[in-house]
Amino acid sequence: SQQGEEDPQALSIQEGENATMNCSYKTSINNLQWYRQNSGRGLVHLILIRSNEREKHSGRLRVTLDTSKKSSSLLITASRAADTASYFCATDARETGNQFYFGTGTSLTVIP
Amino acid sequence: KAGVTQTPRYLIKTRGQQVTLSCSPISGHRSVSWYQQTPGQGLQFLFEYFSETQRNKGNFPGRFSGRQFSNSRSEMNVSTLELGDSALYLCASSARQGSMTGELFFGEGSRLTVL
Repeated sequence: SQQGEEDPQALSIQEGENATMNCSYKTSINNLQWYRQNSGRGLVHLILIRSNEREKHSGRLRVTLDTSKKSSSLLITASRAADTASYFCATDARETGNQFYFGTGTSLTVIP
Repeated sequence: KAGVTQTPRYLIKTRGQQVTLSCSPISGHRSVSWYQQTPGQGLQFLFEYFSETQRNKGNFPGRFSGRQFSNSRSEMNVSTLELGDSALYLCASSARQGSMTGELFFGEGSRLTVL
C-alpha cells in the first residue's frame, strides 16, 4: 500500500513547546503534503514539499523530506492551544495514478 | 471564493438503505475526490472525477459509486448500506487531476451513521 504512517500516533505537549511528527511512506513520490484536521471537520492544507526539496518553512512550520529514507517530519515551533488537531501526511506518486494517499495521522494535544 | 460545500452534513440511515451525498467544488476546480474516514482505517481514497469522468478508483466494493456533472458538482452513492459504512465522507477539490503540483481543498464532510 502507498499509505503513509505517522509517528507518534498521539502527542501531548505544553503550550510553547515544539512538536515534531514523522511520516514514512513506501514508494517514490511526486510530492508530500501535510494537512491538519480539527475534530470532525475537513482537512486544511498546511504545506507541500516536492520530491526534489529537502526542507521548507511556512510560519511556525518546518517540514523536511528525506527521499532516501522515504520519510518526512513536520515541526511546529512555539505551539499554541489552537494547534490541537490531527495532522496527516499525504503523498502522491505516478505509480498510483497521482492519487493522494493519506497516513493514519498524529493526534496533537497542546495543553495551555 | 466559496469553499467546498458538502451536503448533507449529518444523516442517519438504516442497514439496507441507500444514500446520496453531494459535493460542490471550488469554482473553477474540475477535479473532485472522495474519501472515507473512519477511526480504524484513517482516510481511504474512494474515487476521483475529472471533467465528468472517473479517473481513479480506490479499493471499495461496487456499492460505492459516484458521478460528476458538467458544472463539476459531484455526487457519491452508497447502496445497500452496512453498519461498517458509518463514517465521515470527505470531498476534496483541486485545480488539476491528481493535483500533482497543488493542494486539495476539503469540505467539512458528511457524517453518515448506519443503524
